[in-house]
Parts: sequence; C-alpha cells; structure tokens
Amino acid sequence: GNSVTQMEGPVTLSEEAFLTINCTYTATGYPSLFWYVQYPGEGLQLLLKATKADDKGSNKGFEATYRKETTSFHLEKGSVQVSDSAVYFCALRPYSGGGADGLTFGKGTHLIIQP
Amino acid sequence: AAGVIQSPRHLIKEKRETATLKCYPIPRHDTVYWYQQGPGQDPQFLISFYEKMQSDKGSIPDRFSAQQFSDYHSELNMSSLELGDSALYFCASSLKIAGGYEQYFGPGTRLTVT
Repeated sequence: GNSVTQMEGPVTLSEEAFLTINCTYTATGYPSLFWYVQYPGEGLQLLLKATKADDKGSNKGFEATYRKETTSFHLEKGSVQVSDSAVYFCALRPYSGGGADGLTFGKGTHLIIQP
Repeated sequence: AAGVIQSPRHLIKEKRETATLKCYPIPRHDTVYWYQQGPGQDPQFLISFYEKMQSDKGSIPDRFSAQQFSDYHSELNMSSLELGDSALYFCASSLKIAGGYEQYFGPGTRLTVT
C-alpha cells in the first residue's frame, strides 16, 4: 500500500536557521506529492505540491523537489521565522487518473522556531 | 476567497448517540473528501464523492455513512458513537476538471464523545 514517512519532531530551530524536513514515500506508479501546514487549532493549508518527477514546488520561501530515484520530497526553507512554527505534513495522492483519491499523510513534524 | 465551510465547528455527544457533520465545498468544486484526525495524529482519509457518487473509500467505519447532494454539499452521518470517535473531522474539496490535485481543507469539526 501507499505510505509516507517523515522525520519525527519536535524540530526546534533558531530564527533565520536553515530548515530541512525529510519525507520519503512508498507508492506504485507516479503519485502527486504535497506539503500541508497546520497551525494550532486550525485546518490544513496546502503549502506546495509537485505532480511529476523533478518538479519543484515552492511557496512562501519553502520549496521541495520530487525525487523519484530516492522516493523523496524533502521540505526546505533558507531562513525560518517564528511565524513558521506549526505542524508540517507530507502527503501523497496515488496516480489513478480519477482525481478523487484520498490523501495519505505522514505522521507530521512539529516545528518550533525560537526567537 | 471563499473557503470550505464546515458545521458545526464543535459538537459534544454521548456514547451511542448519532451525529451529523456538514460540509460546504468551495464554490464550483465538485468533489468532497472526509478525513478524521485523532489527537496528535495524522489525518486519515475516510471517503470521497464526485458528482454525488462515492469515488474513493478509506478507513471509514461501517457505523459511518456519507453522501453528497445536488448542490455539492456533503454530510457525514455517524451512529452508535464511541469514545474513540472523538477527533477532528475535516472536509476538503477539489475541482476534478483541474485534475483534482489540490485539496482545500475546511477548518474542521471537533467531535467530543463523552
């Protein structure tokens, strides 16, 4: 079956540090990959996506590259801010052509940025 | 921009009672999804609908049922509630003609079963 593995948290960094959150996946075919962010007490917000190998998704200074050879989609940001503190979920949607497939999420990584 | 609307936002029920959660997708979106997120857990996919037809099914208990109506809103019906059903329930919507790649989530309904 499909699965997503991401580094466990919490991850604690100082403001302006470089961020990497690792994500690897197991799936057949060519899934679409996503990063979602969840702030305390809120819903999930789509942060970025990639739908095919070597695609790079980017948004708000975050970026991730779809690496099929290593089945990875690591999230990076060059300089984090206190406001980036949240839980980050890596997710995949299997390739089926149907468009209504449910997402499979990783366990989530709690990111804490200290001033 | 309009977002996914879920109601109620909070719901408290007792064991063995029934609950109904509602979801109103983003205007023009034709596909809805339901997810369950337990405390400190990742969201688990329950079920999805496209054009009022069930499209994909995940780990939805037999006690739960859902449907999508002609105006595309959806309802999740939960019967014989158990303590373990206490969770955040998210609805998401997407537009299939756009590939359905991007699912937009609502704020969630927090269900507490006592």
